[in-house]
Amino acid sequence: AQKVTQAQTEISVVEKEDVTLDCVYETRDTTYYLFWYKQPPSGELVFLIRRNSFDEQNEISGRYSWNFQKSTSSFNFTITASQVVDSAVYFCALSEGTRFNAGNMLTFGGGTRLMVKP
Amino acid sequence: KAGVTQTPRYLIKTRGQQVTLSCSPISGHRSVSWYQQTPGQGLQFLFEYFSETQRNKGNFPGRFSGRQFSNSRSEMNVSTLELGDSALYLCASSLVGTGLDTQYFGPGTRLTVL
Repeated sequence: AQKVTQAQTEISVVEKEDVTLDCVYETRDTTYYLFWYKQPPSGELVFLIRRNSFDEQNEISGRYSWNFQKSTSSFNFTITASQVVDSAVYFCALSEGTRFNAGNMLTFGGGTRLMVKP
Repeated sequence: KAGVTQTPRYLIKTRGQQVTLSCSPISGHRSVSWYQQTPGQGLQFLFEYFSETQRNKGNFPGRFSGRQFSNSRSEMNVSTLELGDSALYLCASSLVGTGLDTQYFGPGTRLTVL
């Protein structure tokens, strides 16, 4: 069975600090996909990034960066120079089922609430 | 391109009633998934539909059901509501619903059961 763990339930930082959100996953599949979503107070889950299991290249997008390490089953997310607008709940998720008719199902971590104070 | 839309956005019902929630996917997306979000259980997968067929189902009782129409729009129904069904219900759509597809979420329907 697949499982995603976000050990940090809540993080509070002051604006302009860097912050890293941790994500550890478990799966028996050799092919899988990892996602990060952001949920602002409005409730809608906003897609941030997708990574596949055979691409461990780290990625940077503006102030966001992601560190994927299969050896430790981790997919961590860093926000550089945080801003008040980054305040939200962030979810890490895992998807298996790469066969066409297997469908998709996201398994989510418990989420990390990030509060950025001015 | 318009995003995923869900109606209604808010709903208040009493125990024992039934409720139907609606989801319109992004144009061209054929897979629709439903998730329940509660403070205690977090985000949990309910079911997924593709081409009007349910392909996957999460661990929820039979009171939770759904369907998908030929235009990919989907509805979910909860019968005999219980207090514990109070939650944010999120719908997500993706192109064909494989594991590599990205699911895009709607704003959710917040259901309160009194």
